[in-house]
Amino acid sequence: EAGVAQSPRYKIIEKRQSVAFWCNPISGHATLYWYQQILGQGPKLLIQFQNNGVVDDSQLPKDRFSAERLKGVDSTLKIQPAKLEDSAVYLCASSQHHGGQRTYNEQFFGPGTRLTVL
Amino acid sequence: AQRVTQPEKLLSVFKGAPVELKCNYSYSGSPELFWYVQYSRQRLQLLLRHISRESIKGFTADLNKGETSFHLKKPFAQEEDSAMYYCALTRNSGGYQKVTFGTGTKLQVIP
Repeated sequence: EAGVAQSPRYKIIEKRQSVAFWCNPISGHATLYWYQQILGQGPKLLIQFQNNGVVDDSQLPKDRFSAERLKGVDSTLKIQPAKLEDSAVYLCASSQHHGGQRTYNEQFFGPGTRLTVL
Repeated sequence: AQRVTQPEKLLSVFKGAPVELKCNYSYSGSPELFWYVQYSRQRLQLLLRHISRESIKGFTADLNKGETSFHLKKPFAQEEDSAMYYCALTRNSGGYQKVTFGTGTKLQVIP
């Protein structure tokens, strides 16, 4: 099966500019995650979708970050305006919905988008 | 709140030596623990999960609730094991999985 797709792979912008990232999850995966991974740190969850609804955005800086998954398939993450500290790799992942059961469904990750803010 | 701690940023071992990547967690409930791996120029991927009690690529990990640890072990390191390893914890929150990753440990296997 095709994996999680992300674009662009690299992006360089100046501070205060806007940027958008796109993610296409594995077909049939109801859950989609956006992570921010700053150099030297582990992935930090920004937002989690279940189909087209948000189930967790507690760590999303909502004054500048926004995300949508309008049709419950692909998703976009936007930063407006960008700050220097937003330089990071942005990872998208998807998984099957576990339906409230305790068993964890493996997350499949995309290749990431490396953002550099100058 | 849940937290995952990987105390070592870098672990260097010689080929054939035993490997232990440390992971400690804090969570008041019943956690599910995992190890993810990222090889050079590849995507982050699941290595193993504690509920499976399986050995993947020679790696095993035992959940020790008393010590709140989930260390990853391999008796004999191979060069192809060189990678970034992330410990992760998940809990069920409102019917959804909430995942927390550690900061990662870079394993360097010296030939």
